[in-house]
Amino acid sequence: GQNIDQPTEMTATEGAIVQINCTYQTSGFNGLFWYQQHAGEAPTFLSYNVLDGLEEKGRFSSFLSRSKGYSYLLLKELQMKDSASYLCAVRDTGGSYIPTFGRGTSLIVHP
Amino acid sequence: DVKVTQSSRYLVKRTGEKVFLECVQDMDHENMFWYRQDPGLGLRLIYFSYDVKMKEKGDIPEGYSVSREKKERFSLILESASTNQTSMYLCASSLEQGGGGDEQFFGPGTRLTVL
Repeated sequence: GQNIDQPTEMTATEGAIVQINCTYQTSGFNGLFWYQQHAGEAPTFLSYNVLDGLEEKGRFSSFLSRSKGYSYLLLKELQMKDSASYLCAVRDTGGSYIPTFGRGTSLIVHP
Repeated sequence: DVKVTQSSRYLVKRTGEKVFLECVQDMDHENMFWYRQDPGLGLRLIYFSYDVKMKEKGDIPEGYSVSREKKERFSLILESASTNQTSMYLCASSLEQGGGGDEQFFGPGTRLTVL
């Protein structure tokens, strides 16, 4: 299994940049996912990293360092609608290939 | 677009009742999953299935069973509901096993309350 750690809650101001970190421990890394979940709604896929480096997708970017067991999700030009939970999920090479989810980071964007 | 639907958004049941939660996906995905989501605990995997009539236990299968008679449908069964099974239940599907960014597509969730 994996130990996945994310901050419980973060706050930021509209228009700013925020970085949400995720650290993990796994015996055989095989990919990391980020999902966004608005209150009362289903999680939706944001990004996938399997190699080191930065993946950019519009206002959202995701970074991975496999040697450090570390990823972050970077949100730029924050909007009020970005207030949501952000879930980090890690897949390893053992057994089922099912990603394990962290507990999520609740992001509150203030005007 | 992939669509994952769940039979109910809200459900209230009594302790000891048998409860069926249904999930249907319309994109011919191989894999289907059932999670529960509780405050402070995140998403926890109950059961998953790679194919019709196949099922595998997740991290917290106790008190639950599943059925996958057709590829598009995955049912979660609470044989005898208990109050500690009050939770949000999320169904998900994905295209194939392992290798590559086979993200999961989630249904809207069923909020189950057991009284």
